Amino acid sequence: AQKVTQAQTEISVVEKEDVTLDCVYETRDTTYYLFWYKQPPSGELVFLIRRNSFDEQNEISGRYSWNFQKSTSSFNFTITASQVVDSAVYFCALSAYYGGSQGNLIFGKGTKLSVKP
Amino acid sequence: AAGVIQSPRHLIKEKRETATLKCYPIPRHDTVYWYQQGPGQDPQFLISFYEKMQSDKGSIPDRFSAQQFSDYHSELNMSSLELGDSALYFCASSLKGTAYTDTQYFGPGTRLTVL
Repeated sequence: AQKVTQAQTEISVVEKEDVTLDCVYETRDTTYYLFWYKQPPSGELVFLIRRNSFDEQNEISGRYSWNFQKSTSSFNFTITASQVVDSAVYFCALSAYYGGSQGNLIFGKGTKLSVKP
Repeated sequence: AAGVIQSPRHLIKEKRETATLKCYPIPRHDTVYWYQQGPGQDPQFLISFYEKMQSDKGSIPDRFSAQQFSDYHSELNMSSLELGDSALYFCASSLKGTAYTDTQYFGPGTRLTVL
């Protein structure tokens, strides 16, 4: 069975602090995808990043960086120099890859990040 | 860039009524997914369609049905509404292809309130 665990329910930081959101996943599939989505207070789900199981290269995009480690089944997300606009619920998600395409997303419970000025 | 369109954005219904939610995928996307997100919960997969055929089914109640039409838009039909159906309903679309293109992009959601 597939499972995503985000152990941090809520995190509160002060602006300009760095913050890391943890994500641990379980799957028996050898090929799978990992994602991070952001859900701001307005409610929409915004795609941030996708990682394929065969690509362990870490990625940096501006203030965002992601650390994928298959050995520990983790896909952590770090925001550097956080800003108030980063306040949102962040979801880590997992999907299998079969039949030549990805399946539905299995989401973690989400981590609510509050960045205070 | 064009995004996923969902209508209506807000819907209020009484118990036992029916509701129809519509989803218009990103142009050229061939796959549509429906998710339900209860208050304070993570999104839960309901059903998906690829090229107008149902491709996968999740925890969708028997009272709900969905289809994808020839223009690739999809509709989620919900009957005998219950208070517990109050949630945010998301539609996502993707383009099947290589492992690098198959990402689900979400619409803004339809907030359904059942009174």
